[in-house]
Amino acid sequence: EVQLVESGGGLIQPGGSLRLSCVDSGFTFNSDGMNWARQSSEKGLEWLAYISSSGTTIYYADSVKGRFTISRDNARNSLYLQMDSLRGEDSALYYCVRDWPVIWGQGTLVTVSS
Amino acid sequence: DIQMTQSPSILSASVGDRVTVTCRASQNINNQLVWFQQKPGKAPKFLIHRASSLWSGVPSRFSGGGYGTEFTLTITSLQPEDFATYYCQQYNNYPRTFGQGTKVEIK
Repeated sequence: EVQLVESGGGLIQPGGSLRLSCVDSGFTFNSDGMNWARQSSEKGLEWLAYISSSGTTIYYADSVKGRFTISRDNARNSLYLQMDSLRGEDSALYYCVRDWPVIWGQGTLVTVSS
Repeated sequence: DIQMTQSPSILSASVGDRVTVTCRASQNINNQLVWFQQKPGKAPKFLIHRASSLWSGVPSRFSGGGYGTEFTLTITSLQPEDFATYYCQQYNNYPRTFGQGTKVEIK
């Protein structure tokens, strides 16, 4: 059974940085596109970023473009989200999401507060 | 960006009822729509892709329909485990966008 496990969340001050990680226990990580999404009570579910299997194609939501960077290491079956210039409105539960089949991790909580 | 609008926001129903959730896109997304189910404290669970194709292991009481801008998720004979929040998401364009969710609650 494919499982995605996120880590790296926590409490961070406004303006700070965090790096989220997601490890895929499946056997075909290097053949699938991956995404980051988040969920908060204020904004609901929000898609953030996509990276293709090779890493050559990347898309971002406008709300995080220029502040967040998605990347992957296929040798480590890992997906990353570098989050810089964090704001209060970035507080949410962050999920990694496999493109196909569509599988969500259990999420990692990010709280941006002073 | 494509706006996805779900209705109703809350749906009160009883076990055994047939319920339908509607999702409308602000522009044509062909059949590039997925449905998710989410229970409190859990990650969303994938139910349907390409608007009407049931994912493996999803009970046949779930069905999806629609094309273009209007889509439906129907649950025939609602079961206790179906009380949850349901979300649609379009993947025809980036940014991929979600509906705001429909909570199916016990009447």
